[in-house]
Amino acid sequence: KQEVTQIPAALSVPEGENLVLNCSFTDSAIYNLQWFRQDPGKGLTSLLLIQSSQREQTSGRLNASLDKSSGRSTLYIAASQPGDSATYLCAVKEYGNKLVFGAGTILRVKS
Amino acid sequence: NAGVTQTPKFRVLKTGQSMTLLCAQDMNHEYMYWYRQDPGMGLRLIHYSVGEGTTAKGEVPDGYNVSRLKKQNFLLGLESAAPSQTSVYFCASSRGQGQYGYTFGSGTRLTVV
Repeated sequence: KQEVTQIPAALSVPEGENLVLNCSFTDSAIYNLQWFRQDPGKGLTSLLLIQSSQREQTSGRLNASLDKSSGRSTLYIAASQPGDSATYLCAVKEYGNKLVFGAGTILRVKS
Repeated sequence: NAGVTQTPKFRVLKTGQSMTLLCAQDMNHEYMYWYRQDPGMGLRLIHYSVGEGTTAKGEVPDGYNVSRLKKQNFLLGLESAAPSQTSVYFCASSRGQGQYGYTFGSGTRLTVV
C-alpha cells in the first residue's frame, strides 16, 4: 500500500528565508506527483505537477523536484512571504489512477 | 471558467437525516472523485468515477452512495447521516488516467449533530 510522508509536519520561518518541504513515498509505480496549497477553511490549489519522467518543475518562486527511484520530492520556496503561510500537501498518482496524499506541512512565515 | 463547483458550502444535519452533495465541473473531465478530509487523517478517497454512468468504491465508501448520470456532475449521497460523517468533503476531477493532474473544488463543510 502506498504511503506518503511529509516532513516537517510544521515549519515557522522569518520572512525572506528560502525553505524546503519534503515528501517521500513508498511505491515508485506512479504517474506523477502533485503539490497543493490549502489555506485554512479553503480548498486545494494545485501548485506544481511533476510527471514521473521529469526531474523538476518551476513556477515563480516555487521549484519542485522528483527523484522517483528514491521515492522523494522536495518543494523549494524562495524568498518566503507571509502570504505563503498555508498547509502544503503532496500527492502521488498511482498506476491505479488514485491520488494518495501526505498529511501536509503547515507553514507559517512571520513578518 | 468555474472549474469544479461544490454545493452547498456548509450544512448541518441531524443524525439519521439524508442529503446529497453536488459536484459540477465544466472542463469536460472524464474522471471525478469524492474525498473527505479529517484532522490527523488527511484526505481519503470515498468513491470515484471513470466516466458517465460509472462509479467505484474508494478507501472509505461505507455510508455513502454516488451517482454519475451526467458527465459534468458527480453526486455524493448520505442516506442516514451519522456523527462520524462530520467532515470536510472535497470533489475533484481529472482529464483521464495517466499523466493528468487533479483539480479540486472548494469543499463542503458538513456537521452531523
